[in-house]
Amino acid sequence: DTGVSQNPRHKITKRGQNVTFRCDPISEHNRLYWYRQTLGQGPEFLTYFQNEAQLEKSRLLSDRFSAERPKGSFSTLEIQRTEQGDSAMYLCASSLETSTAGNTIYFGEGSWLTVV
Amino acid sequence: RKEVEQDPGPFNVPEGATVAFNCTYSNSASQSFFWYRQDCRKEPKLLMSVYSSGNEDGRFTAQLNRASQYISLLIRDSKLSDSATYLCVVHTRASGGGADGLTFGKGTHLIIQP
Repeated sequence: DTGVSQNPRHKITKRGQNVTFRCDPISEHNRLYWYRQTLGQGPEFLTYFQNEAQLEKSRLLSDRFSAERPKGSFSTLEIQRTEQGDSAMYLCASSLETSTAGNTIYFGEGSWLTVV
Repeated sequence: RKEVEQDPGPFNVPEGATVAFNCTYSNSASQSFFWYRQDCRKEPKLLMSVYSSGNEDGRFTAQLNRASQYISLLIRDSKLSDSATYLCVVHTRASGGGADGLTFGKGTHLIIQP
């Protein structure tokens, strides 16, 4: 399978604990995105990387959230001191961004977080 | 003001009928437009891109009206398997910083009834 891979797929954690999600994008894709989706809402942009550089962070990304893409390949999203409001599906996506081609974004299956 | 607005539905439509969804966007600098399909508890998947000239893919037709900042999706001869949430998606390419990436609508929920 050469699609976007995310793990863990499901995570239940107690409030106050830290959690980390991993995303492996499609191998030749230079852009990697993180989105968050709650029930009845569309995905909300959190942050994205161009290779290893984090180019933008949404104001939704509080200081408890941190994302890295150290070698321009896989990425991690860490949530510290989780709160119940963090419960959501965290979606990773990747695309190949060029100067001429529009970027079609491909999503992973998502990581479901439940904070109890 | 929401950047991408859609009627959330649900749209309950009998099998075989034609159904149309609409979407409006607020950023006139937006450059690319898409419809994504999302099944329950699954990831969004690209259904089709939307071009100013309009484009068709089988039973699906997408239209873009840049002047009105309006996007539509038409599904003909609907099938039970078309039941899903349809997300209107707008891409704004950054120039010198600022927003980049996709902005999603909340989605329109479609239920095809036998």
